[in-house]
Amino acid sequence: KNQVEQSPQSLIILERKNCTLQCNYTVSPFSNLRWYKQDTGRGPVSLTIMTFSENTKSNGRYTATLDADTKQSSLHITASQLSDSASYICVVSENAGNMLTFGGGTRLMVKP
Amino acid sequence: DGGITQSPKYLFRKEGQNVTLSCEQNLNHDAMYWYRQDPGQGLRLIYYSQIVNDFQKGDIAEGYSVSREKKESFPLTVTSAQKNPTAFYLCASSRRGWDEQFFGPGTRLTVL
Repeated sequence: KNQVEQSPQSLIILERKNCTLQCNYTVSPFSNLRWYKQDTGRGPVSLTIMTFSENTKSNGRYTATLDADTKQSSLHITASQLSDSASYICVVSENAGNMLTFGGGTRLMVKP
Repeated sequence: DGGITQSPKYLFRKEGQNVTLSCEQNLNHDAMYWYRQDPGQGLRLIYYSQIVNDFQKGDIAEGYSVSREKKESFPLTVTSAQKNPTAFYLCASSRRGWDEQFFGPGTRLTVL
């Protein structure tokens, strides 16, 4: 069964600190991996999408990495801001356009 | 403004009543999806439609129904057969089936 596991489930950090969120998956064959940011009570918004051949991709202060061999991805947030407080969801797609598998998310709280 | 909209944002219903959640998109996307989100859990697929007048059951379709009479619209009916309907419901669309999905703002349904 395809699974996507995220850790930690929740995280509290101080403003301007860095943090790293983890995503491990068992989806096979792999097509791509996406990170979404979801503010409380809102729909998820895409941060990055990574294909098999990509090891790292940045979007402003967000940097995602992918190790397709170990089936792991991470999302690194640099110099966190209060507005980074949200849930971050890892989503993995099977090859040939099959369904998506969603992780349970990491709930991040950035405190002043 | 291009986008995907859901209404209402909050919805209350009594047990035993059916209720319909609206989802509209003006992105000219072929595919549309309905997900359910419960606290601490990943999004779960209820129904999806890759083309007008066609839709498929997702992982948790029991107690729900949909229609896709127009490309822009994909309403979800939560029937009285759904045993635990209180949840946050998210609608999404993509250009083609299983491309990057764009999410609406969500509807929070509470059964009293």
